[in-house]
Amino acid sequence: KNEVEQSPQNLTAQEGEFITINCSYSVGISALHWLQQHPGGGIVSLFMLSSGKKKHGRLIATINIQEKHSSLHITASHPRDSAVYICAVTGNQFYFGTGTSLTVIP
Amino acid sequence: DAGVIQSPRHEVTEMGQEVTLRCKPISGHNSLFWYRQTMMRGLELLIYFNNNVPIDDSGMPEDRFSAKMPNASFSTLKIQPSEPRDSAVYFCASSLQGGNQPQHFGDGTRLSIL
Repeated sequence: KNEVEQSPQNLTAQEGEFITINCSYSVGISALHWLQQHPGGGIVSLFMLSSGKKKHGRLIATINIQEKHSSLHITASHPRDSAVYICAVTGNQFYFGTGTSLTVIP
Repeated sequence: DAGVIQSPRHEVTEMGQEVTLRCKPISGHNSLFWYRQTMMRGLELLIYFNNNVPIDDSGMPEDRFSAKMPNASFSTLKIQPSEPRDSAVYFCASSLQGGNQPQHFGDGTRLSIL
């Protein structure tokens, strides 16, 4: 069993759609990270959360500590949002989800 | 500001050779992380340092792998001897103290062992 599970694994959306990517974890954590990896391979840290909600532009990340669940939302999706989104948690150890591959079609 | 700088960007070498990957973290960051990414296993943490001291190396696959951080501005990840299964993209990242701070990633080193 993976300590971090993401869903869906793959997602295709039309430009402008609202997108949600989910992350569930089974271990105690001190922080949860959302990472974005573009087709070129570079990795960017989008959010680091330990509670509540954060917003940056069209991206919103939420976390529910009691339910051990986090969501990443993208409003008004755009083709440039096409990337792999990775959920990672830090506690006693680091655990990574396998990623959600998002394709936004114009 | 310069981000995390990794070198080389690409490395192709024959199995059995020693490989050294280099990383320069962002100035002022106290924590440095080495990751490996493969299609099969995704992103894995190999080792991380706080204030130049290795804190958790449980992700280092075996004795062929070693990492050092001689000072706050430089780290190396060495594989000796290299094997084809070591082929992967190796990322270095840095952050302010600990794993509970946003991490800044380098562009990665794409390693191919023939």
